[in-house]
This record gives sequence, C-alpha cells and structure tokens, in this order.
Amino acid sequence: AQSVTQLDSQVPVFEEAPVELRCNYSSSVSVYLFWYVQYPNQGLQLLLKYLSGSTLVKGINGFEAEFNKSQTSFHLRKPSVHISDTAEYFCAVSEGGKSTFGDGTTLTVKP
Amino acid sequence: GAVVSQHPSWVICKSGTSVKIECRSLDFQATTMFWYRQFPKQSLMLMATSNEGSKATYEQGVEKDKFLINHASLTLSTLTVTSAHPEDSSFYICSARSGGYGANVLTFGAGSRLTVL
Repeated sequence: AQSVTQLDSQVPVFEEAPVELRCNYSSSVSVYLFWYVQYPNQGLQLLLKYLSGSTLVKGINGFEAEFNKSQTSFHLRKPSVHISDTAEYFCAVSEGGKSTFGDGTTLTVKP
Repeated sequence: GAVVSQHPSWVICKSGTSVKIECRSLDFQATTMFWYRQFPKQSLMLMATSNEGSKATYEQGVEKDKFLINHASLTLSTLTVTSAHPEDSSFYICSARSGGYGANVLTFGAGSRLTVL
C-alpha cells in the first residue's frame, strides 16, 4: 500500500525567502510523484510531476522538486517566494492509477 | 492542456433534497474520473472511481446509495447526493485521467461547495 507524509502542516516564510516543503512516501513498486497547489475554494492545480528520468523536476511558478529514491522523499523547493504563493500544497503518489494525497502543507508568505 | 469543468461551483439546498454535480472533461476523453470529498483544512478523501460505461467503484465507508455516480460518456461524470443532510456539507472535487503515457496525471475540476441547510 502506498502512503504519503507531509512533514510540515504549516510553513510561514517571509517574501523573497527560499522555502522547502517536505514530502516522504512509501510504496511497494515504482511510483509516480506529484505536487499540487490549492488556492481557497478551488480545485487542485498540478505544480510538477516525476514519472521517470531526471530526478530534478521543474514545475510552474518557479517550483522544483527532487526525487530521492534512497530517502523516499520528494521535497518541493522554491528559491524566492512571493505573496501569491500563499496556498495549500499537496504531495501525492500514484500507483496503479490510483492517487494518494498527503495531508497538505499550508504555505503562508508574509510581507 | 487538459481542462476539467465542474458545475455548480456553489450549491445550497434544503435537507432531504438531492443535488447533482457535473464533471466534464473539455478537451480530452476521460476513461476514468475520480470523486473526492474535502473537509476544511484537510486532505482529499477519495470517494469513488468512475469508469465510463460501468459501475463506479466506491471506497470503503462511502454509501453508494447516497452518493450516486454516473459516467455515461467519455466526457461526463455526475455525482448525485441523495437526500442530503447537513453532515453532507463539504467541498466535492472531481478529477479525470486520460489514457496513454499521461495516464497517471490527474486534472482536477475547480470543486463544488455543497451546503445543506
């Protein structure tokens, strides 16, 4: 069975500072990994995905993530955040076509 | 890119009535759609998997007679909350998966907030 653990429920950060949102996963087979962002009262928007190939994946809005198989992690990073990055972020793992989501991390960017 | 439209985005209904939520894939054919429920400040809880032309597969603990799912075409799945009660109030989100290499990539609708009075 697959599972996802987002290690931080809330991450406050000042504008233009770097940020890392942590995600660990467990799965019995090869996995596909995703990060989604959710703004209030909206659905989820795909930030980036790891399906295969390079372990460093770049997504939209300046975000990137690194797949680390030995540490079973897929941490999301951004070198300089903006106020508009304030949102809920979900890490997800997909196996056999079914996705499992983490509990989410609330990123709050302060001026 | 792939777009999923969900309607309505907001709905308020009286207790005991039924509410239908539509999920449409606008520019691709979705052989599989998923329905989730999300409580405030919580993650998405998968309710059921909807496959075109066949019965939906419900997750454990989800009442299939209360949450009716129909996936009659490759672009439309509907979720009907029957005899709604205040505890059914929630944010419902659908997602669609297309076939091929991108089969594990989900596109989400914008969600539907249901309030039962």
